[in-house]
Amino acid sequence: QAVVTQEPSLTVSPGGTVTLTCGSSTGAVTSGHYPYWFQQKPGQAPRTLIYDTSNKHSWTPARFSGSLLGGKAALTLSGAQPEDEAEYYCLLSYSGALWVFGGGTKLTVL
Amino acid sequence: QVQLVESGGGVVQPGRSLRLSCAASGFIFSNYAMHWVRQAPGKGLEWVSIISYDGSNEYYADSVKGRFTISRDNSKNTLYLQMNSLRAEDTAVYFCARGSSKYATVNFDYWGQGTLVTVSS
Repeated sequence: QAVVTQEPSLTVSPGGTVTLTCGSSTGAVTSGHYPYWFQQKPGQAPRTLIYDTSNKHSWTPARFSGSLLGGKAALTLSGAQPEDEAEYYCLLSYSGALWVFGGGTKLTVL
Repeated sequence: QVQLVESGGGVVQPGRSLRLSCAASGFIFSNYAMHWVRQAPGKGLEWVSIISYDGSNEYYADSVKGRFTISRDNSKNTLYLQMNSLRAEDTAVYFCARGSSKYATVNFDYWGQGTLVTVSS
C-alpha cells in the first residue's frame, strides 16, 4: 500500500501565507490521484476543503486553494486567520478505488 | 439537509465482533457510494473501506481486509461495517462519509460525527 507524506507541523503568522504539501511513495502526485484536503479541529469530524486537486465546496473559505506543485499536491492558505489553526489531512486515490490519507499537518497560527 | 449518524460502537474484547451502522438522510442514499474512515485516539485519519452505490463493489484497506465487511441496505438508507477478529489496533472513532454518485465524482463531502470502538480485554 502506498504511503502519503505531509509535513508534520507548520507555523504561519496571522495574515501570512503557508503551503502544505502532499507526496506519494509511488511517484509524482497527479490529477489522477484526485487529491483531497481536509481540515479537522479537536473533537470534530473532518471537513473537506478541496477535492479533485483544486475544487472548492461552497463552505470552503476563499483563502484556501489547491494545486499541484513539484510532483506533490499542495494546499495554500493566503491570509491566515486564528480559526485556521487545525490539523490538515490530504487524501489520494489509487486505482480509483483505494484511498490513502497522509499523516496530517498540524498548522499553528502564531 | 444531509445527515449521517453512526451507531454501534462500544467496548469489545480482542477477537470478538461488532457491527457499526450509519443511518443516512437528506439525500438519495441509493445513488451514492459510501466510505468508512477511522481515527485512532490521538492519531491521524485512516481510510477503511468503500462500497458502490448498489453494493456490487467493495474495497478495503490492507489493514482490515479479510476481517471487515462493508455492506448497505438501500431500502433502509443504512450503511454497515461488520468487524470481526477485532484487535487492539482497531480501537478508533469510526466515521462514515458520503462518496461519489452516479452523477458527480466528488467524495467525502459529508461526514458523520463518528462512533468510538474500543478493543480491550
